[in-house]
Amino acid sequence: GENVEQHPSTLSVQEGDSAVIKCTYSDSASNYFPWYKQELGKRPQLIIDIRSNVGEKKDQRIAVTLNKTAKHFSLHITETQPEDSAVYFCAASSYGQNFVFGPGTRLSVLP
Amino acid sequence: NAGVTQTPKFQVLKTGQSMTLQCAQDMNHEYMSWYRQDPGMGLRLIHYSVGAGITDQGEVPNGYNVSRSTTEDFPLRLLSAAPSQTSVYFCASLAGGNNEQFFGPGTRLTVL
Repeated sequence: GENVEQHPSTLSVQEGDSAVIKCTYSDSASNYFPWYKQELGKRPQLIIDIRSNVGEKKDQRIAVTLNKTAKHFSLHITETQPEDSAVYFCAASSYGQNFVFGPGTRLSVLP
Repeated sequence: NAGVTQTPKFQVLKTGQSMTLQCAQDMNHEYMSWYRQDPGMGLRLIHYSVGAGITDQGEVPNGYNVSRSTTEDFPLRLLSAAPSQTSVYFCASLAGGNNEQFFGPGTRLTVL
């Protein structure tokens, strides 16, 4: 079955710096790769996603890149702000079924 | 439009008790899933459904049952609760295919 690894497990950056979180997956059948943000005590919320026919996607300060050959995808957050502090999860899925999540990255943005 | 709703928000059970966690969505989504989230860990898929009458096992199905008799509802049954099932449970739904998955607010379950 699918296995998703995520690094780093914790990340501290200064406000205004960039943050990068990396994930790898094992199943070449996976074709949908979402990223979720989860604040303490809240539900996960989708922040950006990418499909396997696309190499990069950007939404304001957030971008995701996908390398299908190497089976890895990354989340990039630029100009970080204190409200970006949260736990971020990557996931992999095939046509919306059987989502497998990474273990999460705790991002702290220091003022 | 309430999205995905879950009841109860909190529950305490004794070992061996059974209970049902309720999940409903009003977005006419075909796909629904149940996850558990343990401290410091990601979400792990328990069971999922791609439509009424169709369910399948995820990564950690043991000790849980599901059924999907309607598009809107996807209850999760704990047959005989164990302390290892202490966790936060999230229900989610999506329209199908590679679309956004929406999560419910979660149920925090403690098994003593």
